Amino acid sequence: NAGVMQNPRHLVRRRGQEARLRCSPMKGHSHVYWYRQLPEEGLKFMVYLQKENIIDESGMPKERFSAEFPKEGPSILRIQQVVRGDSAAYFCASSPWETSGISYEQYFGPGTRLTVT
Amino acid sequence: DAKTTQPPSMDCAEGRAANLPCNHSTISGNEYVYWYRQIHSQGPQYIIHGLKNNETNEMASLIITEDRKSSTLILPHATLRDTAVYYCIVRDLMYSGGGADGLTFGKGTHLIIQP
Repeated sequence: NAGVMQNPRHLVRRRGQEARLRCSPMKGHSHVYWYRQLPEEGLKFMVYLQKENIIDESGMPKERFSAEFPKEGPSILRIQQVVRGDSAAYFCASSPWETSGISYEQYFGPGTRLTVT
Repeated sequence: DAKTTQPPSMDCAEGRAANLPCNHSTISGNEYVYWYRQIHSQGPQYIIHGLKNNETNEMASLIITEDRKSSTLILPHATLRDTAVYYCIVRDLMYSGGGADGLTFGKGTHLIIQP
């Protein structure tokens, strides 16, 4: 059973370009979470999605950042008009569908390292 | 979610048990204690979680005090590959209708296993 997959693993963008980060959850998982880790800092929650729904985006910057998890295909974190401060590691995690209101542990992918030049 | 306090760093000799403490004095009755670790440049890895009783799996043991205000993660025979930042997180697993479920990571404990 493959784990959470993220691509690309490394992404370099010039200031003003767009960055698209992809995340394929583990098989059977229908919940996806995105986290950001700035250099020398801890992980910060950004957004929580289920298929075709954004459940909680309280950690997302208000501008330039968006996320989706379509019915088919991977979840996408999109950063428009990137700036140097967006340089970070972006991690995706997935968890299975909860049937009882109890959420399960999250399994993390290897991350995408975004460098903005 | 309740706040946790962990020492910033610890050393342990290879082959010995590593005991990582965590204080969570404001934990509420519905909150579980979770442990994750992050090996340098990798994604966080789930280790173990528990509510009241001590728990053990193939990676580690979790000891939770009777008043639930603190816990200890035990790696029974530490190896060099266990060098990582270890995060203790308290989390309310019961939420209604898709409320916020993101994990709140603190600064963790940087565990260094010495050869």
